Amino acid sequence: DQQVKQNSPSLSVQEGRISILNCDYTNSMFDYFLWYKKYPAEGPTFLISISSIKDKNEDGRFTVFLNKSAKHLSLHIVPSQPGDSAVYFCAASAISNQFYFGTGTSLTVIP
Amino acid sequence: NAGVTQTPKFQVLKTGQSMTLQCAQDMNHEYMSWYRQDPGMGLRLIHYSVGAGITDQGEVPNGYNVSRSTTEDFPLRLLSAAPSQTSVYFCASSYSSGSTYEQYFGPGTRLTVT
Repeated sequence: DQQVKQNSPSLSVQEGRISILNCDYTNSMFDYFLWYKKYPAEGPTFLISISSIKDKNEDGRFTVFLNKSAKHLSLHIVPSQPGDSAVYFCAASAISNQFYFGTGTSLTVIP
Repeated sequence: NAGVTQTPKFQVLKTGQSMTLQCAQDMNHEYMSWYRQDPGMGLRLIHYSVGAGITDQGEVPNGYNVSRSTTEDFPLRLLSAAPSQTSVYFCASSYSSGSTYEQYFGPGTRLTVT
Protein backbone atom coordinates (compact mmCIF):
# COMPACT_ATOMS: atom_id res chain seq x y z
CA ASP A 1 0.00 0.00 0.00
CA GLN A 2 1.55 3.24 -1.19
CA GLN A 3 1.84 5.63 1.77
CA VAL A 4 3.22 8.47 -0.33
CA LYS A 5 1.54 9.24 -3.64
CA GLN A 6 2.39 11.45 -6.55
CA ASN A 7 -0.65 11.30 -8.78
CA SER A 8 0.78 13.19 -11.73
CA PRO A 9 3.31 11.06 -13.60
CA SER A 10 4.35 13.99 -15.78
CA LEU A 11 4.17 17.77 -16.02
CA SER A 12 5.19 20.20 -18.79
CA VAL A 13 5.81 23.87 -18.10
CA GLN A 14 7.11 26.78 -20.15
CA GLU A 15 10.46 28.23 -19.18
CA GLY A 16 10.03 31.13 -16.75
CA ARG A 17 6.67 29.93 -15.47
CA ILE A 18 5.90 28.27 -12.16
CA SER A 19 6.10 24.48 -11.78
CA ILE A 20 3.92 22.96 -9.07
CA LEU A 21 4.51 19.34 -8.13
CA ASN A 22 2.12 17.67 -5.71
CA CYS A 23 2.41 14.86 -3.21
CA ASP A 24 -0.12 13.24 -0.86
CA TYR A 25 0.49 10.94 2.08
CA THR A 26 -1.67 8.71 4.20
CA ASN A 27 0.36 8.11 7.36
CA SER A 28 -0.36 10.80 9.94
CA MET A 29 2.81 9.81 11.80
CA PHE A 30 5.04 11.24 9.06
CA ASP A 31 6.79 14.28 10.46
CA TYR A 32 9.52 15.03 7.96
CA PHE A 33 9.23 15.47 4.22
CA LEU A 34 11.79 15.80 1.47
CA TRP A 35 11.95 16.41 -2.25
CA TYR A 36 14.55 14.81 -4.48
CA LYS A 37 15.47 15.44 -8.08
CA LYS A 38 16.68 12.63 -10.31
CA TYR A 39 18.32 12.69 -13.71
CA PRO A 40 18.48 9.53 -15.86
CA ALA A 41 21.23 7.07 -14.89
CA GLU A 42 21.99 8.98 -11.70
CA GLY A 43 20.97 8.65 -8.08
CA PRO A 44 18.43 11.05 -6.58
CA THR A 45 19.82 14.29 -5.20
CA PHE A 46 18.36 16.11 -2.24
CA LEU A 47 16.51 19.32 -3.08
CA ILE A 48 14.60 20.66 -0.09
CA SER A 49 12.93 19.42 3.08
CA ILE A 50 10.32 20.49 5.60
CA SER A 51 9.51 19.46 9.13
CA SER A 52 5.92 19.02 10.26
CA ILE A 53 6.29 21.96 12.64
CA LYS A 54 6.46 24.28 9.62
CA ASP A 55 4.09 24.88 6.74
CA LYS A 56 6.57 26.44 4.33
CA ASN A 57 10.27 26.23 3.56
CA GLU A 58 12.08 28.22 0.90
CA ASP A 59 15.45 27.76 -0.77
CA GLY A 60 16.10 30.02 -3.72
CA ARG A 61 13.72 29.14 -6.54
CA PHE A 62 12.32 26.16 -4.62
CA THR A 63 9.55 26.36 -2.02
CA VAL A 64 7.87 23.45 -0.30
CA PHE A 65 4.44 23.87 1.27
CA LEU A 66 2.98 21.46 3.80
CA ASN A 67 -0.72 21.14 4.60
CA LYS A 68 -0.90 18.69 7.48
CA SER A 69 -4.68 18.63 7.75
CA ALA A 70 -4.94 17.64 4.10
CA LYS A 71 -1.85 15.40 4.27
CA HIS A 72 -0.55 17.20 1.22
CA LEU A 73 2.68 18.83 0.22
CA SER A 74 3.74 20.65 -2.88
CA LEU A 75 6.96 21.85 -4.46
CA HIS A 76 6.94 25.18 -6.28
CA ILE A 77 9.74 26.05 -8.69
CA VAL A 78 9.82 29.69 -9.78
CA PRO A 79 10.96 30.55 -12.37
CA SER A 80 11.29 27.16 -14.06
CA GLN A 81 14.42 26.58 -16.11
CA PRO A 82 15.21 23.91 -18.74
CA GLY A 83 17.83 22.44 -16.37
CA ASP A 84 15.01 21.68 -13.94
CA SER A 85 13.76 18.97 -16.31
CA ALA A 86 14.06 15.76 -14.28
CA VAL A 87 12.01 13.32 -12.23
CA TYR A 88 11.02 14.67 -8.83
CA PHE A 89 10.33 12.37 -5.89
CA CYS A 90 8.75 13.32 -2.61
CA ALA A 91 9.60 11.28 0.46
CA ALA A 92 8.30 11.13 4.01
CA SER A 93 9.64 9.83 7.29
CA ALA A 94 8.10 8.94 10.64
CA ILE A 95 11.19 7.35 12.10
CA SER A 96 14.61 8.86 11.77
CA ASN A 97 16.20 7.95 8.47
CA GLN A 98 13.47 5.58 7.24
CA PHE A 99 11.98 7.17 4.16
CA TYR A 100 8.95 6.31 2.06
CA PHE A 101 9.02 7.58 -1.49
CA GLY A 102 6.37 8.53 -3.99
CA THR A 103 6.37 7.22 -7.54
CA GLY A 104 7.81 10.41 -9.03
CA THR A 105 6.71 13.17 -11.39
CA SER A 106 8.63 13.78 -14.60
CA LEU A 107 8.97 17.53 -15.15
CA THR A 108 9.74 18.92 -18.59
CA VAL A 109 10.53 22.62 -18.85
CA ILE A 110 10.06 23.81 -22.41
CA PRO A 111 12.45 26.55 -23.58
CA ASN B 1 35.06 13.17 -0.98
CA ALA B 2 33.77 10.42 -3.26
CA GLY B 3 30.38 10.45 -1.50
CA VAL B 4 28.44 7.21 -1.96
CA THR B 5 29.91 4.73 -4.41
CA GLN B 6 28.27 1.60 -5.76
CA THR B 7 29.68 -1.31 -7.72
CA PRO B 8 28.98 -2.75 -10.21
CA LYS B 9 27.03 -0.29 -12.36
CA PHE B 10 25.42 -3.10 -14.37
CA GLN B 11 24.99 -6.79 -13.72
CA VAL B 12 23.20 -9.67 -15.42
CA LEU B 13 22.50 -12.79 -13.39
CA LYS B 14 20.85 -16.10 -14.11
CA THR B 15 18.03 -17.27 -11.87
CA GLY B 16 19.45 -18.93 -8.78
CA GLN B 17 22.84 -17.23 -8.87
CA SER B 18 24.05 -15.20 -5.93
CA MET B 19 25.89 -11.92 -5.85
CA THR B 20 26.79 -8.97 -3.65
CA LEU B 21 26.14 -5.35 -4.52
CA GLN B 22 28.77 -3.15 -2.94
CA CYS B 23 28.16 0.23 -1.34
CA ALA B 24 30.64 2.49 0.40
CA GLN B 25 30.53 6.02 1.77
CA ASP B 26 33.31 8.27 2.99
CA MET B 27 31.24 10.88 4.83
CA ASN B 28 31.23 9.07 8.19
CA HIS B 29 27.45 8.84 8.11
CA GLU B 30 25.81 6.59 10.67
CA TYR B 31 22.82 5.66 8.59
CA MET B 32 22.87 3.65 5.38
CA SER B 33 20.04 2.22 3.33
CA TRP B 34 19.31 0.13 0.26
CA TYR B 35 16.42 0.91 -2.08
CA ARG B 36 15.13 -0.60 -5.25
CA GLN B 37 13.43 1.41 -7.97
CA ASP B 38 10.90 -0.24 -10.23
CA PRO B 39 8.74 1.40 -12.93
CA GLY B 40 5.64 2.96 -11.39
CA MET B 41 6.74 2.06 -7.86
CA GLY B 42 9.12 4.80 -6.80
CA LEU B 43 11.93 3.84 -4.46
CA ARG B 44 11.23 1.14 -1.89
CA LEU B 45 13.37 0.53 1.19
CA ILE B 46 14.93 -2.94 1.34
CA HIS B 47 17.18 -2.83 4.41
CA TYR B 48 18.76 -0.13 6.47
CA SER B 49 21.40 0.31 9.14
CA VAL B 50 21.66 2.85 11.93
CA GLY B 51 25.29 2.08 12.65
CA ALA B 52 28.00 -0.56 12.44
CA GLY B 53 26.66 -3.91 13.60
CA ILE B 54 23.01 -2.82 13.47
CA THR B 55 20.67 -3.58 10.57
CA ASP B 56 16.93 -3.86 10.13
CA GLN B 57 14.35 -4.67 7.47
CA GLY B 58 12.56 -2.14 5.33
CA GLU B 59 9.45 -2.49 3.17
CA VAL B 60 10.69 -5.22 0.80
CA PRO B 61 13.43 -7.27 2.53
CA ASN B 62 12.64 -10.77 1.22
CA GLY B 63 15.43 -12.32 -0.84
CA TYR B 64 18.09 -9.89 0.40
CA ASN B 65 20.63 -9.94 3.21
CA VAL B 66 22.78 -7.13 4.56
CA SER B 67 25.53 -6.67 7.10
CA ARG B 68 27.35 -3.60 8.42
CA SER B 69 30.74 -4.47 9.83
CA THR B 70 32.18 -0.98 9.31
CA THR B 71 30.74 2.54 9.16
CA GLU B 72 31.85 2.87 5.54
CA ASP B 73 30.48 -0.28 3.91
CA PHE B 74 26.99 -1.70 3.53
CA PRO B 75 26.86 -4.60 1.05
CA LEU B 76 23.58 -6.08 -0.20
CA ARG B 77 23.51 -9.82 -0.89
CA LEU B 78 21.15 -11.63 -3.20
CA LEU B 79 21.30 -15.27 -2.11
CA SER B 80 19.35 -16.84 -4.98
CA ALA B 81 18.44 -14.32 -7.67
CA ALA B 82 14.92 -14.32 -9.11
CA PRO B 83 13.54 -12.42 -12.14
CA SER B 84 11.41 -10.36 -9.71
CA GLN B 85 14.66 -8.85 -8.42
CA THR B 86 15.35 -7.21 -11.77
CA SER B 87 15.52 -3.56 -10.76
CA VAL B 88 17.74 -0.55 -10.22
CA TYR B 89 19.31 -0.60 -6.77
CA PHE B 90 20.34 2.54 -4.92
CA CYS B 91 22.40 2.80 -1.79
CA ALA B 92 22.11 5.89 0.38
CA SER B 93 23.79 7.26 3.44
CA SER B 94 22.45 9.92 5.73
CA TYR B 95 23.02 11.93 8.84
CA SER B 96 20.72 13.76 11.13
CA SER B 97 21.42 17.19 12.49
CA GLY B 98 18.92 18.00 15.17
CA SER B 99 15.55 17.67 13.48
CA THR B 100 16.80 17.55 9.90
CA TYR B 101 17.98 14.61 7.85
CA GLU B 102 19.61 14.51 4.47
CA GLN B 103 20.25 11.42 2.36
CA TYR B 104 22.97 11.08 -0.23
CA PHE B 105 22.47 8.50 -2.94
CA GLY B 106 24.91 6.49 -4.99
CA PRO B 107 24.62 6.29 -8.80
CA GLY B 108 22.77 2.97 -8.75
CA THR B 109 23.29 -0.62 -9.92
CA ARG B 110 21.10 -1.87 -12.75
CA LEU B 111 20.48 -5.58 -12.20
CA THR B 112 18.83 -7.93 -14.67
CA VAL B 113 17.93 -11.48 -13.68
CA THR B 114 17.15 -13.83 -16.55
